[in-house]
Amino acid sequence: EPEVTQTPSHQVTQMGQEVILRCVPISNHLYFYWYRQILGQKVEFLVSFYNNEISEKSEIFDDQFSVERPDGSNFTLKIRSTKLEDSAMYFCASSTTQDRESYEQYFGPGTRLTVT
Amino acid sequence: KNQVEQSPQSLIILEGKNCTLQCNYTVSPFSNLRWYKQDTGRGPVSLTIMTFSENTKSNRRYTATLDADTKQSSLHITASQLSDSASYICVVSVEGAGSYQLTFGKGTKLSVIP
Repeated sequence: EPEVTQTPSHQVTQMGQEVILRCVPISNHLYFYWYRQILGQKVEFLVSFYNNEISEKSEIFDDQFSVERPDGSNFTLKIRSTKLEDSAMYFCASSTTQDRESYEQYFGPGTRLTVT
Repeated sequence: KNQVEQSPQSLIILEGKNCTLQCNYTVSPFSNLRWYKQDTGRGPVSLTIMTFSENTKSNRRYTATLDADTKQSSLHITASQLSDSASYICVVSVEGAGSYQLTFGKGTKLSVIP
């Protein structure tokens, strides 16, 4: 069964460093998303991406964040200058459609980012 | 502000027993409501998606109900198994501009013990 994959599974970085989190969405999906989950808290929407541009972003997704689909398979989230509060689990998701009634988002296993 | 509240925060039940998890939401305008299962350290996996017009939806041993008037939903798990131990998250989608956004509850942590 097709699945969303994410690498690395765990990333440790120092405050102020840039990190790139990578995702390979399901191959026939057209819509891509990033979410984060701070330890012990709820999952929060960051950004959605379609047709090589951001569709929507939350207030969390500030200028420190960027997303890119550099080729036909990868979808990346870049954090330019990490802060301690960026430590969280980052989930990538993808879906085939934006049909409001039924669209299903498939989540990857997540990347645990630890900023020290 | 759109919010999703779940109860209880955690629950311990014996294997084979049934349980019901609750979700209240203030999201408006409402598009659909989903229940996800999240194993520790893993991404959420969808169990059900319910639209405004649906009252009940079943997926194997999981039955979700929705009352759009009172803005409440429940997830009933029948004949629980050890593998049901996970967090169960209620997620609501907003209709209109920004329908890509899902608003997540904090989840109910279910532990099924032998």
